[in-house]
Amino acid sequence: NAGVTQTPKFQVLKTGQSMTLQCAQDMNHEYMSWYRQDPGMGLRLIHYSVGAGITDQGEVPNGYNVSRSTTEDFPLRLLSAAPSQTSVYFCASSDRRDRASYGYTFGSGTRLTVV
Amino acid sequence: SQQGEEDPQALSIQEGENATMNCSYKTSINNLQWYRQNSGRGLVHLILIRSNEREKHSGRLRVTLDTSKKSSSLLITASRAADTASYFCATNTGNQFYFGTGTSLTVIP
Repeated sequence: NAGVTQTPKFQVLKTGQSMTLQCAQDMNHEYMSWYRQDPGMGLRLIHYSVGAGITDQGEVPNGYNVSRSTTEDFPLRLLSAAPSQTSVYFCASSDRRDRASYGYTFGSGTRLTVV
Repeated sequence: SQQGEEDPQALSIQEGENATMNCSYKTSINNLQWYRQNSGRGLVHLILIRSNEREKHSGRLRVTLDTSKKSSSLLITASRAADTASYFCATNTGNQFYFGTGTSLTVIP
């Protein structure tokens, strides 16, 4: 049981490049989300999904796209990287059917630098 | 922003002492959760308290919730050096989870 797996762990992009951050979970969780973490800003929600085929925007969605074609995978796409997107990105999932706990399981993060 | 705000931003205590950190939030919630983040790692879920609960315990953790004041507190008793980490509260409103800015706790051996 791997939990939530994020790849890559580190990435350097040039301004204007695009890339996809991968996130996969093997817990059959319905709910998945992407956060970015910046110093002094805490975690800010980018996009989330309540199930396959359903996605929605969070607090800071601009510059990012997501899709949820399967329950397991929730990739985050940066369309045209900007230095302001330099951050640590976390993917998280939750089993919303478990009424006793909606706690998140987090991946280990992707540290992205845009130069 | 619908983020919560933790207070204090940083806390330094001696091993064996208790650590208390607070969280305030802005909107009505379904539940409130606390997470720990060790340096360079992902967040780990510690405890969840529902909006109709006032207090919850888990091992050395005690969480309180006051929905009238839109605030919560996390108490870690008999702290250990291994408790050194950042602690975040997260509020659940409908389908969204919002995190606070965190409290950095340092436990000095």
